[in-house]
Amino acid sequence: EVQLLESGGGLVQPGGSLRLSCIGSGFTFGTYAMNWVRQAPGKGLEWVSVITGGGGFTKDADSVKGRFTISRDNSKNTVYLQMNSLRAEDTAIYYCARETPGTLDYWGQGALVTVSS
Amino acid sequence: DVVLTQTPLSSPVTLGQPASISCKSSQSLVNTDGNIYLSWLQQRPGQPPRLLIYKISDRFSGVPDRFSGSGAGTDFTLRISRVEAEDVGVYYCTQASHFPYTFGQGTKLEIK
Repeated sequence: EVQLLESGGGLVQPGGSLRLSCIGSGFTFGTYAMNWVRQAPGKGLEWVSVITGGGGFTKDADSVKGRFTISRDNSKNTVYLQMNSLRAEDTAIYYCARETPGTLDYWGQGALVTVSS
Repeated sequence: DVVLTQTPLSSPVTLGQPASISCKSSQSLVNTDGNIYLSWLQQRPGQPPRLLIYKISDRFSGVPDRFSGSGAGTDFTLRISRVEAEDVGVYYCTQASHFPYTFGQGTKLEIK
C-alpha cells in the first residue's frame, strides 16, 4: 500500500524558516517524481514544487521561487521542502504527492504551516 | 500559466441523480509527448485530495465506475452517474501538461 506521511509543520514567525519532510512507503521511492502542493485555509489547491526521481530536476512555483527548496534523499525514502523567508500568505496545509507521468496519484495527509507573529 | 475554469462552483444534487462538472482550459493541454494530462481530484471534508480520473478519462484504481471523465481540446467534464452521500466534497480539475501545474477553483458538491 502506497503511503505518504508529512511532518515538520508548525507555527513560525514571519521571516522564519521551517523544513517539511515526507516519507514514502509501499513503492520504489526513487523511481517517482514527488511534488508539494499547498492549500490555504478554506481555499483551493496550489502547486508548489516538483523533483524528479533521481533529484536531477526541480521546478518551483513563482510564488515560492528563491525562498523554498525541494530536495530528496532516496536512501531514506524522503522528500523535503525547505521553506525560508516565510510570509503570512504561506500559511497552508502542505501536501506531498507522488507523481506518475502527468498526474498526482497518491497524496499524504498534509502538514499545517502557520506563519504568524 | 494555464487557467482552469470550473463550472458550476456549487452543485446541489439529489441522491441518486447525476451530476456534471465542467473544466475549461485557457490553452491547449497537449504535452510535448502528445498526451493530455488532465485529471480530476475529489476532496472530502477534512481529507486530503484523492485522484479519481487521469488523462481525461482513465479511472484510477478503486474509483467507482459511476465516475467518468471526458473531453477534448480545452473542454473537459467529470460526470457522476448516480450521486451517493459519500460523494459530498469539493472536486478539482488539474493539469500537469505544462509548468506550473495548475488547479481549477473547485466545485462543491452537496446533497439537496
